[in-house]
Amino acid sequence: GENVEQHPSTLSVQEGDSAVIKCTYSDSASNYFPWYKQELGKGPQLIIDIRSNVGEKKDQRIAVTLNKTAKHFSLHITETQPEDSAVYFCAASIWSGGYQKVTFGTGTKLQVIP
Amino acid sequence: EADIYQTPRYLVIGTGKKITLECSQTMGHDKMYWYQQDPGMELHLIHYSYGVNSTEKGDLSSESTVSRIRTEHFPLTLESARPSHTSQYLCASRAPDSGNTIYFGEGSWLTVV
Repeated sequence: GENVEQHPSTLSVQEGDSAVIKCTYSDSASNYFPWYKQELGKGPQLIIDIRSNVGEKKDQRIAVTLNKTAKHFSLHITETQPEDSAVYFCAASIWSGGYQKVTFGTGTKLQVIP
Repeated sequence: EADIYQTPRYLVIGTGKKITLECSQTMGHDKMYWYQQDPGMELHLIHYSYGVNSTEKGDLSSESTVSRIRTEHFPLTLESARPSHTSQYLCASRAPDSGNTIYFGEGSWLTVV
C-alpha cells in the first residue's frame, strides 16, 4: 500500500522566516495531495491541495510543489506568523478497489517564535 | 467551511462503560470516516462508509463499531470502554463532487479511567 513519509517532525522558525515541510510517497498512482493544519484541540483543516497534473500551487503565503518523478511534495509557508504554529499533515490519495484511500504523513509540529 | 459536528468534544468515563460518539454532517456527503489520533501522532483510519447501510473497517484495527442508518449521521460505539481506548476520535466526510477534499470535525477526546 501507499506509504507517506513526512519531515521534519518538529520545526521552529523565527517570525517572518519561511518554513518548508517535505513529504514523500511510494505509490506513483497517487493523484491528489492535500495538506492539513491542526491546531491544538481541533480537527485538521484543509489549507491547500495539489493534483498530480499540476506542479505548483500558491495561495497567499502558502504554496505547495509536487515532483511526480521523484514522488515528493512540499509545503512552503512564507512570512510566518505566530498563528501559523500548529501541526501540519500531508497526505497522498489514490483510488483503490473503488474507494479513495487517503494516507496521512506523521505530522510536523511547527512553532513560530515571535 | 464544512459543517461537520462531533459530540461530545471531551468525555471521561469509567472502564466497562458503553459510549457512543456522535458525528453529523449537514452537507449531504455520502462518504464518511472515523480516524483515531493519539496526541501529536498520525491519523489512523478505523472505519469508513460509502453511504447508507455501508460500513467498512479501516487500516487500524479497532474494537469500536459504527452504523450508517442516515446519510448525515455516522456514530461510533464502544460497547465496553478500556483505558487503551483513550484517544482522540476524528470524524470526517467527503462529497462526491468535491474532488478529493475531506472535511474533519473538531474531534472527540475520550479518556477512559
